[in-house]
Amino acid sequence: AQSVSQHNHHVILSEAASLELGCNYSYGGTVNLFWYVQYPGQHLQLLLKYFSGDPLVKGIKGFEAEFIKSKFSFNLRKPSVQWSDTAEYFCAVNVQGSGNTGKLIFGQGTTLQVKP
Amino acid sequence: KAGVTQTPRYLIKTRGQQVTLSCSPISGHRSVSWYQQTPGQGLQFLFEYFSETQRNKGNFPGRFSGRQFSNSRSEMNVSTLELGDSALYLCASSLRRGTAQYFGPGTRLLVL
Repeated sequence: AQSVSQHNHHVILSEAASLELGCNYSYGGTVNLFWYVQYPGQHLQLLLKYFSGDPLVKGIKGFEAEFIKSKFSFNLRKPSVQWSDTAEYFCAVNVQGSGNTGKLIFGQGTTLQVKP
Repeated sequence: KAGVTQTPRYLIKTRGQQVTLSCSPISGHRSVSWYQQTPGQGLQFLFEYFSETQRNKGNFPGRFSGRQFSNSRSEMNVSTLELGDSALYLCASSLRRGTAQYFGPGTRLLVL
């Protein structure tokens, strides 16, 4: 079965530290990839997306992610985190074709806590 | 543009009852997907609707159903509620099938 794995469940960083959250998926076909963020008390927001083209994708608030097809990975990065980045981060995959268009498969989420 | 709206935001029901949740997509979006979010299972896909037709369904029992109207608004229904149905139900809309999905605030359902 298709699955998405986020390796870090809880990450604690100090402000200005660099961030990298891992995401791997288990499907060899064509995929669209997403990172969503859920700030405390708020709803899921799209952080960035990859459909095709340049594997390095830039999103909102200084986040970026790199799609490495050979590693089935789509890791999220930010050079310098801020206290306001404290949130839960979800990686999601949409498998194209095979009747799964429109279905997002989510990882379990990573809780990021940034200490001021 | 207004975002995805969901009503009601909170619901308390008892076992055996049924519930209907509503979702209004972003203007111009034609595809609506529903997800269930729980602490134990995370975010799980329920179903997707496009052009008033269910296009995809997740691994949930038949008690979970939905529909989409001609204006792309969608409803989901859960019949014979069980305690385990307590969750946050999220609706997401996208311009068309396979494009980025934008989520609403969710309806938090508590089954007693």
